[in-house]
Amino acid sequence: DAMVIQNPRYQVTQFGKPVTLSCSQTLNHNVMYWYQQKSSQAPKLLFHYYDKDFNNEADTPDNFQSRRPNTSFCFLDIRSPGLGDAAMYLCATSPTSGPDTQYFGPGTRLTVL
Amino acid sequence: EDKVVQSPLSLVVHEGDTVTLNCSYEVTNFRSLLWYKQEKKAPTFLFMLTSSGIEKKSGRLSSILDKKELFSILNITATQTGDSAVYLCAGLNYGQNFVFGPGTRLSVLP
Repeated sequence: DAMVIQNPRYQVTQFGKPVTLSCSQTLNHNVMYWYQQKSSQAPKLLFHYYDKDFNNEADTPDNFQSRRPNTSFCFLDIRSPGLGDAAMYLCATSPTSGPDTQYFGPGTRLTVL
Repeated sequence: EDKVVQSPLSLVVHEGDTVTLNCSYEVTNFRSLLWYKQEKKAPTFLFMLTSSGIEKKSGRLSSILDKKELFSILNITATQTGDSAVYLCAGLNYGQNFVFGPGTRLSVLP
């Protein structure tokens, strides 16, 4: 059973056209993360939510926003995608108690035309 | 600034070889170190290490952490072509922040 679900799996957008990527989880984990991963690079953390507390990485562009309306869902909004934003976007969750681990969704591959 | 460094960045071996992947870290308020395997999809969890000197094993894979020297190694014995992947190391702090290294790309040739 899928535990971290991302939709869509592939997203094509035009330069400057807003796009929203979604992530849902069935694990009831407190913490949810958004990563950007470009080809042959490690995942780069954009931000994470610890429950409702939003934690933005210092170098995450303002173009990237996030919403977490409830425990299960988290959204990544890219307000004005540029060509440099084409990447795989990974959502992940982790519990705050129990073994330290992180469960990744399958990712959304974003193409910007 | 927190950082995780992995070496080598790329490695090519033949089936049956044993490999050792290295990870060094500088993570404020360090909590644990994690290893992931990434093929052409999202990373999958391999190991979580919290205590120094205790080896974790899973089949042909094993890993150990040295909290004094701030490094970890991942060993793969009797490598198979299915082990070909990028192996990511990540440091976790008590703020629930994961810091990933650049990964080691392992290619196992038949």
